[in-house]
Amino acid sequence: QKEVEQDPGPLSVPEGAIVSLNCTYSNSAFQYFMWYRQYSRKGPELLMYTYSSGNKEDGRFTAQVDKSSKYISLFIRDSQPSDSATYLCAMSGPQGGSEKLVFGKGTKLTVNP
Amino acid sequence: GAGVSQTPSNKVTEKGKYVELRCDPISGHTALYWYRQSLGQGPEFLIYFQGTGAADDSGLPNDRFFAVRPEGSVSTLKIQRTERGDSAVYLCASSPYDRLSPQYFGPGTRLLVL
Repeated sequence: QKEVEQDPGPLSVPEGAIVSLNCTYSNSAFQYFMWYRQYSRKGPELLMYTYSSGNKEDGRFTAQVDKSSKYISLFIRDSQPSDSATYLCAMSGPQGGSEKLVFGKGTKLTVNP
Repeated sequence: GAGVSQTPSNKVTEKGKYVELRCDPISGHTALYWYRQSLGQGPEFLIYFQGTGAADDSGLPNDRFFAVRPEGSVSTLKIQRTERGDSAVYLCASSPYDRLSPQYFGPGTRLLVL
């Protein structure tokens, strides 16, 4: 079993839909949780950076962390064609961004106009 | 301000050759990370530097891979005797080495070993 599991999709939705992306993990030492967006042939771009359990909202994006279930989610409201990309979840231990990140495989999202 | 930059953006080489990939981190970031991303996969950790020293090199796959950061800024990832399986995107990231600060990635170097 991989440390971080993420359904690779692909996921296709109409413009304006609410998108839900998820990851599960097995390592209870993970304390920091991130979502990156990666456009084709580009580097990962940070979307959300959260610590421990709870919710964090930034514009159309909401990140949720449930440490008791070892489950994290990213919700995208009012999805736009420009949101079409691969979404990567990533996690790290108590040192947060100062140690290695463990990534999921990424979910490829297409938002259709 | 300027982000993480990586050169070259693309590199094609022949099996058995030596390659060097360069990373220029965000100014002031003391930590620098290398990852490798194969097609359809998430990035996998290779090595990270805090300052000039390698703080964790547990992800380097074998002794053909080596990285340096002699002055605590620019880093070079070196691959000897390249193999076709080394073909991937090599990503560099940097951070201020603060647990509350995330890592910021560069655009990557696409390495193709023929």
